[in-house]
Amino acid sequence: GEDVEQSLFLSVREGDSSVINCTYTDSSSTYLYWYKQEPGAGLQLLTYIFSNMDMKQDQRLTVLLNKKDKHLSLRIADTQTGDSAIYFCAESRGSYIPTFGRGTSLIVHP
Amino acid sequence: DAGVTQSPTHLIKTRGQQVTLRCSPISGHKSVSWYQQVLGQGPQFIFQYYEKEERGRGNFPDRFSARQFPNYSSELNVNALLLGDSALYLCASSIRQAQETQYFGPGTRLLVL
Repeated sequence: GEDVEQSLFLSVREGDSSVINCTYTDSSSTYLYWYKQEPGAGLQLLTYIFSNMDMKQDQRLTVLLNKKDKHLSLRIADTQTGDSAIYFCAESRGSYIPTFGRGTSLIVHP
Repeated sequence: DAGVTQSPTHLIKTRGQQVTLRCSPISGHKSVSWYQQVLGQGPQFIFQYYEKEERGRGNFPDRFSARQFPNYSSELNVNALLLGDSALYLCASSIRQAQETQYFGPGTRLLVL
């Protein structure tokens, strides 16, 4: 299977919270990342978490890490239409080279 | 400050041709990495350069090569292009080699016909 897995699509209503989930296979992962990619654009680093942390909050973004289950989630509070994009989960080990999932397309509708 | 810049933005080539893509890192960043993103997939690591030396290589054929210049800019070369090389090529820079964060450029979209 893939090293990093994500569901492909998520649809939410504007103003609701979005939760994007990710699982990874390597227990030696050091850092876990969330990137955002808008149509036709490169990747924007949203946030990242060190593997010895459980949670990280940054304004509307909350990252939760369950290291035992190798599960990472990104919660976006008060989701807006501008949040529509593809969200990539990634993990890195000693080399800090990220391995990416296939991305989750977030669709925000009025 | 300017972010990572890449040129050209778009490129169309035919099978068998060669292509050179360029990247300028964020000022002060000495490490550049290259990624290939095929439509519908996440980026795949190709190379990492730091202080003009190759420091990492992904699972790509020898048709792919790169170099880094004294000003830390970088070029990615792909020879004998195949249809499957059609992708978005992303460059990312970081301050040093082993850095937990990388910052990506907008990419070069390559179409091979």
